[in-house]
Amino acid sequence: AAGVIQSPRHLIKEKRETATLKCYPIPRHDTVYWYQQGPGQDPQFLISFYEKMQSDKGSIPDRFSAQQFSDYHSELNMSSLELGDSALYFCASSLGGWSLDEQFFGPGTRLTVL
Amino acid sequence: AQRVTQPEKLLSVFKGAPVELKCNYSYSGSPELFWYVQYSRQRLQLLLRHISRESIKGFTADLNKGETSFHLKKPFAQEEDSAMYYCALKTGSSNTGKLIFGQGTTLQVKP
Repeated sequence: AAGVIQSPRHLIKEKRETATLKCYPIPRHDTVYWYQQGPGQDPQFLISFYEKMQSDKGSIPDRFSAQQFSDYHSELNMSSLELGDSALYFCASSLGGWSLDEQFFGPGTRLTVL
Repeated sequence: AQRVTQPEKLLSVFKGAPVELKCNYSYSGSPELFWYVQYSRQRLQLLLRHISRESIKGFTADLNKGETSFHLKKPFAQEEDSAMYYCALKTGSSNTGKLIFGQGTTLQVKP
C-alpha cells in the first residue's frame, strides 16, 4: 500500500540558508500535518492543512511557512535557518472528513544546520 | 494545559515478563488517546487508539479518566516488541486534530 512520502530524506544546510521540505500524502488523503522532533525530544506539532486551507497552527516559527497544493502535497519552507532548526521533520496525512481518522506518518526528513 | 507525560525514558524487561508503559495526560475536553510505536529505522505507526478498545500484538490500553491515564500493557513481552513507544493526545477539531506526544519510552526486551 502507498505510504506518506517525504523528500528529501536528509538535508544539510548552512546557517541563514533556506530549505524546502516536501510531503506527499497517501492517495485520497486531504489532511497533512507537520511535526518537528529535536534530538532526544518528542515530536512537536507545527502546522496542518485540510483541503488546502490551514486548519491548525502550533509552535511554528515565523521564519517557516507552509502550504498545501491542489494535489494535496505540502511543502514546508524554512528560511534564515538556525542551528536549533536541526531536527527530524515528520509529515503525516489523514482523511480529514472522517472523524476516526488515523494519522499516517512519513519516514521524516532529517535536517542538519551547520 | 494540554500535556502528555510518559515518566519512563527506558523500560527494560526480560522476554516473557509483563510490560506496562505509563502515560498520563492533562486535557480539559474529552480525550482521544493513541499509542504510536516506532521500530528501529521505521516510521511512526499507530498501535492502539482508546476508542477502538482492541488488542493489537497482545497490547491493550484502557483509558482511566479518573486517573487521567492511558497505560499500555502486555502480559508477556516478546523481543520483537523492542521499540520506542509514544503516547499521544488528539486535540483540536474532531476531524483534523493535531497530536500532542509524550516524551516516548524505549522498551527493551532482553532474551
